[in-house]
Amino acid sequence: TQLLEQSPQFLSIQEGENLTVYCNSSSVFSSLQWYRQEPGEGPVLLVTVVTGGEVKKLKRLTFQFGDARKDSSLHITAAQPGDTGLYLCAGGGTNAGKSTFGDGTTLTVKP
Amino acid sequence: DTGVSQDPRHKITKRGQNVTFRCDPISEHNRLYWYRQTLGQGPEFLTYFQNEAQLEKSRLLSDRFSAERPKGSFSTLEIQRTEQGDSAMYLCASSLRTDSVYTFGSGTRLTVV
Repeated sequence: TQLLEQSPQFLSIQEGENLTVYCNSSSVFSSLQWYRQEPGEGPVLLVTVVTGGEVKKLKRLTFQFGDARKDSSLHITAAQPGDTGLYLCAGGGTNAGKSTFGDGTTLTVKP
Repeated sequence: DTGVSQDPRHKITKRGQNVTFRCDPISEHNRLYWYRQTLGQGPEFLTYFQNEAQLEKSRLLSDRFSAERPKGSFSTLEIQRTEQGDSAMYLCASSLRTDSVYTFGSGTRLTVV
């Protein structure tokens, strides 16, 4: 069974601060996705990474895929209240089968 | 295409009743997935289809759960004899066969009383 562990589980910061959240596994994934979910809604895709060591930037968000394709991190610069939400990582299955999700990091950015 | 649609958004039912949820995926996507999510947890896999074929079903899923995708387009998820432990958000997602990038619907929130 492929498991993804996300840390921290909860994070509360002030607007303008930087933060990093982590997604770790003992399994190798063919790809890894990050999603953001707001209360009462489905997750929305932020990024997908497929190559070990890959770094992708999306405005103030920087995503990194570990060299061994077992872990990933999400760094947010100068967080804003609009960044508040549940951040989920998901590991892509082999042959694009089902994905496995972590339990997420709940981020609260206070004005 | 307006994305993945799920109906209803909310369902309150009495314990022991049957419920059915519908999911309309993005039309070009041939894979359709059902996940369940409870508060404080990530989505938990239930089952998925490629076109009309159900390719995998979670071993954690009891016989009270059944899903169909009869024409390879929309899908239904039925829960028979609901229990309070079935209360959760039921999420549907679709994807192209070639990748693991999901587009999720807004989910159906089930409350069993």
